[in-house]
Amino acid sequence: GNSVTQMEGPVTLSEEAFLTINCTYTATGYPSLFWYVQYPGEGLQLLLKATKADDKGSNKGFEATYRKETTSFHLEKGSVQVSDSAVYFCALRLNQGGKLIFGQGTELSVKP
Amino acid sequence: GAGVSQSPRYKVAKRGQDVALRCDPISGHVSLFWYQQALGQGPEFLTYFQNEAQLDKSGLPSDRFFAERPEGSVSTLKIQRTQQEDSAVYLCASSAYGGGGAGELFFGEGSRLTVL
Repeated sequence: GNSVTQMEGPVTLSEEAFLTINCTYTATGYPSLFWYVQYPGEGLQLLLKATKADDKGSNKGFEATYRKETTSFHLEKGSVQVSDSAVYFCALRLNQGGKLIFGQGTELSVKP
Repeated sequence: GAGVSQSPRYKVAKRGQDVALRCDPISGHVSLFWYQQALGQGPEFLTYFQNEAQLDKSGLPSDRFFAERPEGSVSTLKIQRTQQEDSAVYLCASSAYGGGGAGELFFGEGSRLTVL
């Protein structure tokens, strides 16, 4: 079946630290891959996406590269800020049907 | 604003009651999705509409769950005879595109249902 697995949280970092949140997937076919972010008290927002192998999605200093050979889409940021504290969800979407399949989420807490 | 709007934001129901959750998608958006998010988990797909047609309801957990979008705009998720395991946040999302592809989904803030 199709599924997404993320590293468990919570992840606690100091401001300006390097961030990696691991995400791997299992899919029949060739999915598009996404990272969504949920800030406290807000709805899910698209952070970045990649639609094919070797694509790199980037936004707000975050990056993730679609790695078909390792079925991974790890999220990275070189220097986190307190305002990055949120829950991050990795997701895949297959072309048929359009529904997103989410990982369980990783909570990030950045301390000043 | 012009985003996806959901109501009520919070609903407390006694076990056995029926509830109805409303979603107003972004105007003109073709696709509409409902997801269920249990505490500490990622959203789980429930059902998908393209305009007024319900194309996928494979995620609905039981026949107590029913969704409709009669005019291809506003959608209602109805849960009959609520059970405690139905307690969750119900998310609605819409997209300008139909079918598959990588079109962005815009999510509402969710309706938090607590069943006592």
